[in-house]
Amino acid sequence: DTEVTQTPKHLVMGMTNKKSLKCEQHMGHRAMYWYKQKAKKPPELMFVYSYEKLSINESVPSRFSPECPNSSLLNLHLHALQPEDSALYLCASSRGQGYESNYGYTFGSGTRLTVV
Amino acid sequence: LAKTTQPISMDSYEGQEVNITCSHNNIATNDYITWYQQFPSQGPRFIIQGYKTKVTNEVASLFIPADRKSSTLSLPRVSLSDTAVYYCLVGGNTGKLIFGQGTTLQVKP
Repeated sequence: DTEVTQTPKHLVMGMTNKKSLKCEQHMGHRAMYWYKQKAKKPPELMFVYSYEKLSINESVPSRFSPECPNSSLLNLHLHALQPEDSALYLCASSRGQGYESNYGYTFGSGTRLTVV
Repeated sequence: LAKTTQPISMDSYEGQEVNITCSHNNIATNDYITWYQQFPSQGPRFIIQGYKTKVTNEVASLFIPADRKSSTLSLPRVSLSDTAVYYCLVGGNTGKLIFGQGTTLQVKP
């Protein structure tokens, strides 16, 4: 298995809702990432997990809450989002954070989130 | 973190070789240079990675001069399906890869 699987592919949520995005990989990768991508813009790094521990938080608002239950799963919990949070949310994984990641990241196809 | 500069867009025709150059003047000794390709509504896809000189795989070649302040992605004989955004990234020491603006390549028939 050489894929990163993200679910759901599309999500519409209200500003008072609580929802979660899920990411899964079975490549034995020990680093996992969340990126946010607005239309016609490059992906922006949000969070980095290394060996199931949060290692980088790019000053992301607390309405986004990441979780790494085990080495294969990465969740992003969403609460009280704003319409400007509408974007494509991408998950990625790599063999490790740092030198080990030089083999490249594997990205999922993303979750298209719309906040109404 | 080393910042990268790429042309915003490029046009080409089917069958031509395309070269996209990326400038990264502040590259650190431990940094690698990696290129990704992204189609609309999909995640970026790893193309090629290098540290110095030349790297070639089944998809592309990457040329890196001795001073490593720039790199050139070479796509041989492009087709319509190569129309995409191409990102040059520099890093690897911390795993904190930051995407620049990317180059939108439009391949015409």
